[in-house]
Amino acid sequence: AQKVTQAQTEISVVEKEDVTLDCVYETRDTTYYLFWYKQPPSGELVFLIRRNSFDEQNEISGRYSWNFQKSTSSFNFTITASQVVDSAVYFCALSARNSGNTPLVFGKGTRLSVIA
Amino acid sequence: DGGITQSPKYLFRKEGQNVTLSCEQNLNHDAMYWYRQDPGQGLRLIYYSQIVNDFQKGDIAEGYSVSREKKESFPLTVTSAQKNPTAFYLCASSTIPTSNQPQHFGDGTRLSIL
Repeated sequence: AQKVTQAQTEISVVEKEDVTLDCVYETRDTTYYLFWYKQPPSGELVFLIRRNSFDEQNEISGRYSWNFQKSTSSFNFTITASQVVDSAVYFCALSARNSGNTPLVFGKGTRLSVIA
Repeated sequence: DGGITQSPKYLFRKEGQNVTLSCEQNLNHDAMYWYRQDPGQGLRLIYYSQIVNDFQKGDIAEGYSVSREKKESFPLTVTSAQKNPTAFYLCASSTIPTSNQPQHFGDGTRLSIL
């Protein structure tokens, strides 16, 4: 069975602070993909990044960075110098070949509030 | 612009009534999905379709029905059998129905019971 755990339900930071959102996953597949999505107050989910299980290289995109560690089954997301516009719910998701009825398994999300 | 359009944005249902949520995409994607989002629950898959005239149940299909008569359309009907339909419903699509492609989402429909 596939599972994604986002232990942090809500996080509040002051603008310009760095913040890390945790994501731990479970799968028995050796080939899988991990995703992060952002859900702003308007409701739609915005795709941020995809990482496959064979590529453990960390990635940086502007103020966003992702740390993928297979040894701890984690795919953490860091926002540097947070801004009010970063306030949203962030979802980590997992997709594996043998996901059964569920092509994409989502964590429960972390609500980030950035205070000016 | 290409994208996914969900309508209506807000929908109200009376007890014992069926309602249909619309989802249209012009991205030429093969696969389409319906998710339900409840507070603190994340997204749960209701149904998905990999090709026209075919669809599969997700984790919480009971009380819902879908059709896929056209590639660009995947309407979801919330039937009277769904006893707790109040939720935020999201439709998504992807290029191929396998695991490595990101899904693109619509703006959602918020369904409430009168």
